[in-house]
Amino acid sequence: AQSVSQHNHHVILSEAASLELGCNYSYGGTVNLFWYVQYPGQHLQLLLKYFSGDPLVKGIKGFEAEFIKSKFSFNLRKPSVQWSDTAEYFCARPRGGNTGKLIFGQGTTLQVKP
Amino acid sequence: GAGVSQTPSNKVTEKGKYVELRCDPISGHTALYWYRQSLGQGPEFLIYFQGTGAADDSGLPNDRFFAVRPEGSVSTLKIQRTERGDSAVYLCASSKGTTYNEQFFGPGTRLTVL
Repeated sequence: AQSVSQHNHHVILSEAASLELGCNYSYGGTVNLFWYVQYPGQHLQLLLKYFSGDPLVKGIKGFEAEFIKSKFSFNLRKPSVQWSDTAEYFCARPRGGNTGKLIFGQGTTLQVKP
Repeated sequence: GAGVSQTPSNKVTEKGKYVELRCDPISGHTALYWYRQSLGQGPEFLIYFQGTGAADDSGLPNDRFFAVRPEGSVSTLKIQRTERGDSAVYLCASSKGTTYNEQFFGPGTRLTVL
């Protein structure tokens, strides 16, 4: 079965530090990958997505992710985090078929200290 | 425009009771998804509707869970004989289509079963 794993469960950074959150996906099926973010008290929203083409994907708020097929990875990066980036981050992929139902990773809680 | 809305935002019930959770998707979105998110976990897929029909209900944990979408818009998730283990945040998402379209999430309903 297809799966997604996030190994960093809780990350604490100071403002202006660089960020990289890991996401690994299992082999198999069409690889479409997403990063969602949930800010405190808000609903899940899409940060960026990869379907095909350029493996370096740019999203909102200065985030980017790189699809590395050989490593089965889709890590999320941001060169300089802000306090407002404090949130929970989820990597996800469609479960299979063409229904669009998503499998989510466990999530990474990012805390940015001012 | 209006996003996905869910009511109630919080629901506290007693073990054994019946509950209904409502989702109002974005107008014109044909696909509707229900997910469940337990503390410290990513959302888990429950059921997917394309139009009025449940195209995939493979994520429903057991037959106490049921969902409908009679007119292809609003959906109701119904849980019979609630158990303490049903306590979670129930998320609804909608999209224009399926795999290649962004899912827009609602704020969720936090269900607590005492």
